[in-house]
Amino acid sequence: GAGVSQSPSNKVTEKGKDVELRCDPISGHTALYWYRQRLGQGLEFLIYFQGNSAPDKSGLPSDRFSAERTGESVSTLTIQRTQQEDSAVYLCASSFNRNQPQHFGDGTRLSIL
Amino acid sequence: AQTVTQSQPEMSVQEAETVTLSCTYDTSESDYYLFWYKQPPSRQMILVIRQEAYKQQNATENRFSVNFQKAAKSFSLKISDSQLGDAAMYFCASYYNQGGKLIFGQGTELSVKP
Repeated sequence: GAGVSQSPSNKVTEKGKDVELRCDPISGHTALYWYRQRLGQGLEFLIYFQGNSAPDKSGLPSDRFSAERTGESVSTLTIQRTQQEDSAVYLCASSFNRNQPQHFGDGTRLSIL
Repeated sequence: AQTVTQSQPEMSVQEAETVTLSCTYDTSESDYYLFWYKQPPSRQMILVIRQEAYKQQNATENRFSVNFQKAAKSFSLKISDSQLGDAAMYFCASYYNQGGKLIFGQGTELSVKP
């Protein structure tokens, strides 16, 4: 497809489990971003990739959160030992380079029981 | 720290009328961009309009235009001839060339009455 693709669309899991969220950026986009959106709120920045490196990880809320990107393409966001406060929509965006507009995927809605 | 503030949690407009959504921001940077994004219930963030801070001319995109007041750090969005499909959450966001992230406001939920 031509847009940013995220999977799964929805994820329900029990507290304490690990989850992995996937993002396929638009082909050729070197920059990739993860954001979190809690219910009724704006987006919070989590991490930014330029190619395979992450110059800015400042938004990751704790060491339970990590992300990687391989082959300047797919990125995965991993949350270990999930807590109820991790429940949110996780949105991925990509851009041709750092200063170009970001294009967003539809997000993954994560629900922690 | 850079911040973006949207003071209107909800707004309502009659179909075919005009509505203005407010946004203010705070930064010490000189090189930045400002955006309005629309988020319908489908969750996807859709870019509505973009403004470069170095440009004095207000950006316009069909029925959408901005009023960019740099000295006042204000960036409002005007929607003319409102349509039912304009109903959504609208987010104001800023981007700084020294960073790599968008900073978002809390959003304004716009409803359009037929």
